[in-house]
Amino acid sequence: KAGVTQTPRYLIKTRGQQVTLSCSPISGHRSVSWYQQTPGQGLQFLFEYFSETQRNKGNFPGRFSGRQFSNSRSEMNVSTLELGDSALYLCASSLTLTNVETQYFGPGTRLLVL
Amino acid sequence: AQSVTQPDIHITVSEGASLELRCNYSYGATPYLFWYVQSPGQGLQLLLKYFSGDTLVQGIKGFEAEFKRSQSSFNLRKPSVHWSDAAEYFCAVVPRGNNLFFGTGTRLTVIP
Repeated sequence: KAGVTQTPRYLIKTRGQQVTLSCSPISGHRSVSWYQQTPGQGLQFLFEYFSETQRNKGNFPGRFSGRQFSNSRSEMNVSTLELGDSALYLCASSLTLTNVETQYFGPGTRLLVL
Repeated sequence: AQSVTQPDIHITVSEGASLELRCNYSYGATPYLFWYVQSPGQGLQLLLKYFSGDTLVQGIKGFEAEFKRSQSSFNLRKPSVHWSDAAEYFCAVVPRGNNLFFGTGTRLTVIP
């Protein structure tokens, strides 16, 4: 079974632009979560989607948003990029809601904001 | 405050030596507990998990972890480290009904 895939793997943007990242979960998994990893803040939870609905949200500004499609694929969007948004963005999928299920992570999308 | 603590930022061991990475948590009830490993430029790979039952958990790559309720700890161990184990290791918890919270990570260097 194929693992979690994320596209693109690397991205360079400039301040003020917006970006969309994509995540395809493991086949049969219905929950997708997003995390931001930076050297200063470590791994931080962004949000979780299950059955096309946002179920949980971390402590990030409204510039960070996401959605999930009927095939469980998910996208996250960051608008008005700031230098501090440079990070590795990790997507994880699980069979059901993550409070009871193991999450499996993709390789991440590395975003550099100039 | 609720937290996950990995007190060791960086550990260096010789190949073949034993390894123990520490993890302590501070939550009201016993959360679900995980260890993940991240190689440079890669995503996170699940090593093992504890939900309930036997407090000694076996994982992949020869790793094991022991849950100690009295110490609120979930330390990761390996009897003999291989050079390929060099990576960053993250302890993570899911408090009941909540999301995944990560520790700050421990970077492992293996000396030949």
